[in-house]
Amino acid sequence: QSVLTQPPSVSAAPGQKVTISCSGSSSNIGDNYVSWYQQVPGAAPKLLIYENNRRPSGIPDRFSGSKSGTSATLGITGLQTGDEADFFCGTWDSSLTAVVFGGGTKLTVL
Amino acid sequence: QVHVVQSGPEVRKPGASVKVSCKGSGYTFYEYGYSWVRQAPGQGLEWMGWIGYYNGNTDYAQRFQGRVTITKDKSTNTAYMELRTLTSDDTAVYYCARTAAGKDLDFWGQGTLVTVSS
Repeated sequence: QSVLTQPPSVSAAPGQKVTISCSGSSSNIGDNYVSWYQQVPGAAPKLLIYENNRRPSGIPDRFSGSKSGTSATLGITGLQTGDEADFFCGTWDSSLTAVVFGGGTKLTVL
Repeated sequence: QVHVVQSGPEVRKPGASVKVSCKGSGYTFYEYGYSWVRQAPGQGLEWMGWIGYYNGNTDYAQRFQGRVTITKDKSTNTAYMELRTLTSDDTAVYYCARTAAGKDLDFWGQGTLVTVSS
């Protein structure tokens, strides 16, 4: 059972927009920055968003992040078939003194 | 260019230990921490622990306390994760990830498959 809660799957058509939610508590999301990671099957995870809404160099602005209270959201616009992957949210938990992840959300681009 | 390169696959028998390494290049090694994350087949990401930048303090996930040790060698720009008393449940891909001050894991190694089998 993951500390952070994500929907198991989301889907949308190419060109459309999708959002992935990540729900936590006051000791993790409510108190710390949220990151988002993309993992293509067979590859290592890659950082997509850090510090709630910042994109590392090379990540297109189709990817965005936001945080409100104890929840965070990843948004992806202009969906492409190449975006199909598993997406994980992560943050520090001040009570557990540990990094915690969501269970992951599988994105299907129909 | 930042690179994080891990050691190769390992096979161990139940009860044994394994030590995986992670070498960083293209940046100042000691200015970052290093997290270890594992992923069992078909499962999500599980954080095991990390070693901090500068002072080398460690934090471990509660379920691995007493069974895992994370270290780093500044002279060789290498971080290590040792896991002891292995069981078949420890069969997984183990990732090392450079960890920034905000606890975001910004560069990941390619992963190391550890198989525990009798």
